[in-house]
Amino acid sequence: DAGVTQSPTHLIKTRGQQVTLRCSPKSGHDTVSWYQQALGQGPQFIFQYYEEEERQRGNFPDRFSGHQFPNYSSELNVNALLLGDSALYLCASSSGPGSAGEYFGPGTRLLVL
Amino acid sequence: GESVGLHLPTLSVQEGDNSIINCAYSNSASDYFIWYKQESGKGPQFIIDIRSNMDKRQGQRVTVLLNKTVKHLSLQIAATQPGDSAVYFCAETRGGYNKLIFGAGTRLAVHP
Repeated sequence: DAGVTQSPTHLIKTRGQQVTLRCSPKSGHDTVSWYQQALGQGPQFIFQYYEEEERQRGNFPDRFSGHQFPNYSSELNVNALLLGDSALYLCASSSGPGSAGEYFGPGTRLLVL
Repeated sequence: GESVGLHLPTLSVQEGDNSIINCAYSNSASDYFIWYKQESGKGPQFIIDIRSNMDKRQGQRVTVLLNKTVKHLSLQIAATQPGDSAVYFCAETRGGYNKLIFGAGTRLAVHP
């Protein structure tokens, strides 16, 4: 049983570019959340998708957008990249909103130069 | 505001000793409190959770204690092993959804 998978594992972009990160949830899970983790800090909630809709959103600008597909996989898009967007981007999945204990993927390390 | 913080940024213990990692939270409306372990280069790994209406929960070698009076959460690891070396985060969730609010983390270093 595969856990949460993310791609790519590492990515280097330059300021102003756009990036798309991908996530496949754990088998049986239908809810996907995205987190940003800066070096040495705890993850910060970006948004959550359930039934292909954004259900909750953290304190992130509109440059951060997402999508969930019918197979529950999800994408995180970041436009007009800033140096401060450099971080580990984590995807987490669970079986429905309200269930505790999300399962995290290994993350995508994004470096913006 | 929302915050889940930790008392100690680093904790060094001897192999075989018990470890206690502490966490303070600010919002009394949280539904669940959760401990995660994050090893270098990996995503957070779920360890144990506790509902807000409980004060203690035990797992394999781990115990979580919740003191709602002083808004304090702790993770106790029995017989700490080198494989326990990692950064530990407490997190809370509230409002019927599993949006997690994390603290900054405590690094646990286990010495032989």
